[in-house]
Amino acid sequence: DVKVTQSSRYLVKRTGEKVFLECVQDMDHENMFWYRQDPGLGLRLIYFSYDVKMKEKGDIPEGYSVSREKKERFSLILESASTNQTSMYLCASSNRDREFVNIQYFGAGTRLSVL
Amino acid sequence: GQNIDQPTEMTATEGAIVQINCTYQTSGFNGLFWYQQHAGEAPTFLSYNVLDGLEEKGRFSSFLSRSKGYSYLLLKELQMKDSASYLCAVLDSNYQLIWGAGTKLIIKP
Repeated sequence: DVKVTQSSRYLVKRTGEKVFLECVQDMDHENMFWYRQDPGLGLRLIYFSYDVKMKEKGDIPEGYSVSREKKERFSLILESASTNQTSMYLCASSNRDREFVNIQYFGAGTRLSVL
Repeated sequence: GQNIDQPTEMTATEGAIVQINCTYQTSGFNGLFWYQQHAGEAPTFLSYNVLDGLEEKGRFSSFLSRSKGYSYLLLKELQMKDSASYLCAVLDSNYQLIWGAGTKLIIKP
């Protein structure tokens, strides 16, 4: 069974704090993604990575950074949390090969509240 | 800009059939996905269409018309456990997924 694990289901942080969201996948996938999910909006891509030490900006990277030191782990960092970063954060992974259906597998999400 | 439209909420009766529509305008097209997301849980893959026509998988079917920028997800013999949000997503020319806001499906006994 494929598994994407996010370290926390719920987090409450204060404005200005540095926040780390961790994601680990056990499927040996090359690609990993961070999204945020807000009511009434589709999933929005923050950052993604196609390989270790590699990262690409998504649609809304401002205020976020990422780290991928190992293939199975992709971390999302909020350098200085703000209230508008209160959201559900979803991590996903997928295989690299574009010739085949590129199904993304998701973690259960981290609901972050910034006070 | 890129846009995916689907109804915000639908209600159906247990045992009935429901069709959830999705229309899209994207820069390029490399396939359309449907995902199911129960409240508080991870989205899970349901179907993928890249060619026109109907793909059937048990009680669930997905249809695509590329010329019309349109897809639907058809759920038959509805069960209470089908109460969930259904997310439509299109793989654009850069192989990035563009997501709709999701349709919340409420099943009533």
